[in-house]
Amino acid sequence: AAGVIQSPRHLIKEKRETATLKCYPIPRHDTVYWYQQGPGQDPQFLISFYEKMQSDKGSIPDRFSAQQFSDYHSELNMSSLELGDSALYFCASSLGRARTPFFGQGTRLTVV
Amino acid sequence: DQQVKQNSPSLSVQEGRISILNCDYTNSMFDYFLWYKKYPAEGPTFLISISSIKDKNEDGRFTVFLNKSAKHLSLHIVPSQPGDSAVYFCAATAGHTGNQFYFGTGTSLTVIP
Repeated sequence: AAGVIQSPRHLIKEKRETATLKCYPIPRHDTVYWYQQGPGQDPQFLISFYEKMQSDKGSIPDRFSAQQFSDYHSELNMSSLELGDSALYFCASSLGRARTPFFGQGTRLTVV
Repeated sequence: DQQVKQNSPSLSVQEGRISILNCDYTNSMFDYFLWYKKYPAEGPTFLISISSIKDKNEDGRFTVFLNKSAKHLSLHIVPSQPGDSAVYFCAATAGHTGNQFYFGTGTSLTVIP
């Protein structure tokens, strides 16, 4: 069965650079969530979208922005990267508000 | 403020025995709870969920119990298998206020052959 696809799987950026993470939800899923997991921490909710509209917002820094496109894929744009942004970034998708998010494999971002 | 807590960072169990992973929450508005299993360098994999209208949900070797009065849920795995060794996260949401899920800090389960 198709799963949530995230790209890239690994990304290395320098401080103050920008990064774009992409998420392709499970087919027919219209809700996308973004989570950040730092080393030894629990996943922290960043932002979610339902039907291409922002649905909920968590601890997403102002330097980050995200959107969901007409094909339901989502992109997380991160600017002015800081060392503390190094983390695993997970995307999850669900069908409507079915309330069971299925996660992708994650993107490991390393800021040097 | 950690609204979902897993107070045991690690747990070791002999193969064939029962594994019990615990989770506590503080927000009485949470009405849907999930357990995820996570291997290193992979995304969390959904295991089992429970709605607040139930106190038990079973799926094969996995059973989740919910005690709303104690704001406590637990995941029972029986019999435990070496392949169950992973980090287990519980998550909760108050669905009617949005779809933000709150995660616990995880419990690393090791099943010893």
